[in-house]
Amino acid sequence: DARVTQTPRHKVTEMGQEVTMRCQPILGHNTVFWYRQTMMQGLELLAYFRNRAPLDDSGMPKDRFSAEMPDATLATLKIQPSEPRDSAVYFCASGTGQFQETQYFGPGTRLLVL
Amino acid sequence: AQSVSQHNHHVILSEAASLELGCNYSYGGTVNLFWYVQYPGQHLQLLLKYFSGDPLVKGIKGFEAEFIKSKFSFNLRKPSVQWSDTAEYFCAVIPYNNNDMRFGAGTRLTVKP
Repeated sequence: DARVTQTPRHKVTEMGQEVTMRCQPILGHNTVFWYRQTMMQGLELLAYFRNRAPLDDSGMPKDRFSAEMPDATLATLKIQPSEPRDSAVYFCASGTGQFQETQYFGPGTRLLVL
Repeated sequence: AQSVSQHNHHVILSEAASLELGCNYSYGGTVNLFWYVQYPGQHLQLLLKYFSGDPLVKGIKGFEAEFIKSKFSFNLRKPSVQWSDTAEYFCAVIPYNNNDMRFGAGTRLTVKP
């Protein structure tokens, strides 16, 4: 049963600290998406990659957020420095790279910045 | 602005009641449509999707949705809800030739036993 995995599942940190979230897409999927979910904003697309190349990161605050795919089996989302307003659940999703595809979501990383 | 609207923020039903959750989108042209469900503390799971063909789509767990192009709607239905359907439901749209999935704000469904 192929699944998207994310680590850590929960993270509590202090303001100013660096946070790194990791995602392992489903094997064979070459599109990876990062979403943020908050009560106020709902689900927001932060960035997405195809074949490890960033296609769109316009939803991501550039000054503190960065997203990378070091290899086909790992995507990372970093926040440096973190702020309390970054507290949210961050979801990774993967897909097959076809247009209008179904996205398969990971369990999310619940981040709390104090 | 192009958007996805879910009209009901919170719906409370008793078991065995019928369910209909509204979803409207404002994108012109061809779109692909999805309903995802998020059970408490869990990740989003695909309920059903519409790409083309029969506008009445059947998904898992007895859910179905009907795409009405003229109304830009994709409402989710279930004839008889169960307590285990308590969750948040998200409608999502991908405009044609695009990978940018846009989600509605979600509808929280509470089913009373």
